[in-house]
Amino acid sequence: QKEVEQDPGPLSVPEGAIVSLNCTYSNSAFQYFMWYRQYSRKGPELLMYTYSSGNKEDGRFTAQVDKSSKYISLFIRDSQPSDSATYLCATPGDLGNQFYFGTGTSLTVIP
Amino acid sequence: EPEVTQTPSHQVTQMGQEVILRCVPISNHLYFYWYRQILGQKVEFLVSFYNNEISEKSEIFDDQFSVERPDGSNFTLKIRSTKLEDSAMYFCASVPSGGPGNEQFFGPGTRLTVL
Repeated sequence: QKEVEQDPGPLSVPEGAIVSLNCTYSNSAFQYFMWYRQYSRKGPELLMYTYSSGNKEDGRFTAQVDKSSKYISLFIRDSQPSDSATYLCATPGDLGNQFYFGTGTSLTVIP
Repeated sequence: EPEVTQTPSHQVTQMGQEVILRCVPISNHLYFYWYRQILGQKVEFLVSFYNNEISEKSEIFDDQFSVERPDGSNFTLKIRSTKLEDSAMYFCASVPSGGPGNEQFFGPGTRLTVL
């Protein structure tokens, strides 16, 4: 079983839509979770990170962790064409020495 | 704003040749990582490096790979005898301090093409 699994999409939404991106993880010992955004031919950049369960909000972005189901989500409100990118979920695992990434979900926001 | 830099941006090499990919992490960062991303696939961890030694490596990081921090600023990844399947984007990342919650700052990547 892979440490982090993510639906690769692609996902296409109209501008202004609410986007929901999701990942599952395998090990209940994982506590830190990150969402990265990656534009084409660029390195990933950190959007948000969360610790343990609950929600974290930053502007139009909300990250959510449900430890009971080992499920992490990223919600984007009022999506913009500039949000078009690949979104990667990641966790440093239980020891923090290496990062496990999901496959990434490709998002296109259509003007 | 400080950033991680990588050179070259694109490296083309013949199968069996050695390549060295270079990274300059953000100064005063202590932890360094290499990842690779085969086209259309996930970002895969290769190796982490702290205090001048490897702290963790994945199954991908076999004897053909090595890392070095030769001069306190550069962080290099060497592939001794490249194979076709080594073609990928290679990303370097650095972290200011330990702990799993710290943000990794990624470089722009080096695209390696093995012919």
